[in-house]
Amino acid sequence: DQQVKQNSPSLSVQEGRISILNCDYTNSMFDYFLWYKKYPAEGPTFLISISSIKDKNEDGRFTVFLNKSAKHLSLHIVPSQPGDSAVYFCAAVGQTGANNLFFGTGTRLTVIP
Amino acid sequence: DTGVSQNPRHKITKRGQNVTFRCDPISEHNRLYWYRQTLGQGPEFLTYFQNEAQLEKSRLLSDRFSAERPKGSFSTLEIQRTEQGDSAMYLCASSPTSRDIEKLFFGSGTQLSVL
Repeated sequence: DQQVKQNSPSLSVQEGRISILNCDYTNSMFDYFLWYKKYPAEGPTFLISISSIKDKNEDGRFTVFLNKSAKHLSLHIVPSQPGDSAVYFCAAVGQTGANNLFFGTGTRLTVIP
Repeated sequence: DTGVSQNPRHKITKRGQNVTFRCDPISEHNRLYWYRQTLGQGPEFLTYFQNEAQLEKSRLLSDRFSAERPKGSFSTLEIQRTEQGDSAMYLCASSPTSRDIEKLFFGSGTQLSVL
C-alpha cells in the first residue's frame, strides 16, 4: 500500500526553465513533508521540507507547495540547472519521526543544457 | 566527520548464504535507521535504534533479518538464508534525536545481489 506516490518516473527540462515535480499522499495523519535528492551511488540527501500548517516553503531556487485538501505537494525548481539532474524523492512523516517516514517512488529529473 | 559510512558498497552472494552489512553513523547521532530500497521504489523503513536499544523491529521483512547496535555506535544488519528477493540497496541513516527529521543523514548504501 503506497502511501506516498510520485506518478511521473521521469522529467526532462531545459536548463533555465522551471522543473515541477509532483507528489500525492493518502494518509491524512502525515504532518511533515520532505523532498530528498539522490545522485547515483549516493544516499538520499535532504533538500527542503514543509509542515502541514504551511502551504509554501521557499529556499533559494527550490519551493515546495502543499495542498492539504488535495493531499498533494509539488517541488518547483527555478531556474533549473544541469547539476539538478538527479532522482527526487518525496517523503511524508507522522508524529513519531523517521521510523514512520514514507517515501514515494521517485522522479528522475534530467536538466538538458 | 565523514558522514554515515556503510560497508561493503556491493555484495554478491549465492542464494542461501548469510550476509552482514555494517553501518557507522555520524558520531554524535543517537538514532540509527535501516531502510531497504528496491529497484523503482523509494526507501522502505526496516528498523531503528536509540543508542543500543532497538526500538522497532516489527517491519523487518522476515525473521531472516536481524540488526544489532551493541555499543550504541556502529550497527550491523544480517540476512540469513538469502533469497533472490532480498536483492536491493540497504541504506543506513542516522540523526541526533527522534524529531530532527531534517537532520536524517543517509549513507551511500550496500547494494546486495543474490544469485
